[in-house]
Amino acid sequence: EIVMTQSPATLSVSPGERATLSCRASQSVSSNLAWYQQKPGQAPRLLIYGASTRATGIPARFSGSGSGTEFTLTISSLQSEDFAVYYCQQYNNWPPGRTFGGGTKVEIK
Amino acid sequence: QLQLQESGSGLVKPSQTLSLTCAVSGGSISSGGYSWSWIRQPPGKGLEWIGYIYHSGSTYYNPSLKSRVTISVDRSKNQFSLKLSSVTAADTAVYYCAREEQQLVYAYWGQGTLVTVSS
Repeated sequence: EIVMTQSPATLSVSPGERATLSCRASQSVSSNLAWYQQKPGQAPRLLIYGASTRATGIPARFSGSGSGTEFTLTISSLQSEDFAVYYCQQYNNWPPGRTFGGGTKVEIK
Repeated sequence: QLQLQESGSGLVKPSQTLSLTCAVSGGSISSGGYSWSWIRQPPGKGLEWIGYIYHSGSTYYNPSLKSRVTISVDRSKNQFSLKLSSVTAADTAVYYCAREEQQLVYAYWGQGTLVTVSS
């Protein structure tokens, strides 16, 4: 099973500042990496897939990068609605399971 | 617009079987190219992938849950189901159903349903 590790667990950022979230895979997942945003009481929302492709309707301030085992989600200028928990998820072809990282909470500084 | 809605018992006794159904509307569960998944989230914790069923009917489960999980599809009702046997308190969670897209990610989710395991 591929293990996904996210860091930091909590990130304190002021509105308007840049946030950088990391996700590491225990083995290469190529570019088979997605990012989700989850707010309290809501289902996760897909932000990024293929490591760097924004999903439909996702603002340009969200960007993803990386490949292999190291990935980054960057929020260029945090808006009030961006304070949430972010999860990465791998979907490599083999093994065929899916795994999520433990999440990074982005909170207001 | 595709919509998914979970339903089932919100309270299950230890050692019994948890059963949930996900009703799909706005699209056919038989459409090729998609898989139908269950994902759970214990209170205050992260997401755990449970498993999926392909449109063809084949399944794949999280190895840590494999011995207790069954996912099935009822095409006549346009829904799919989750059964998790021999539950314990550790299975208490919000359970989400979701559609896995051709890009192998989850763009459509149900709202989630809380299942509590308690006597």
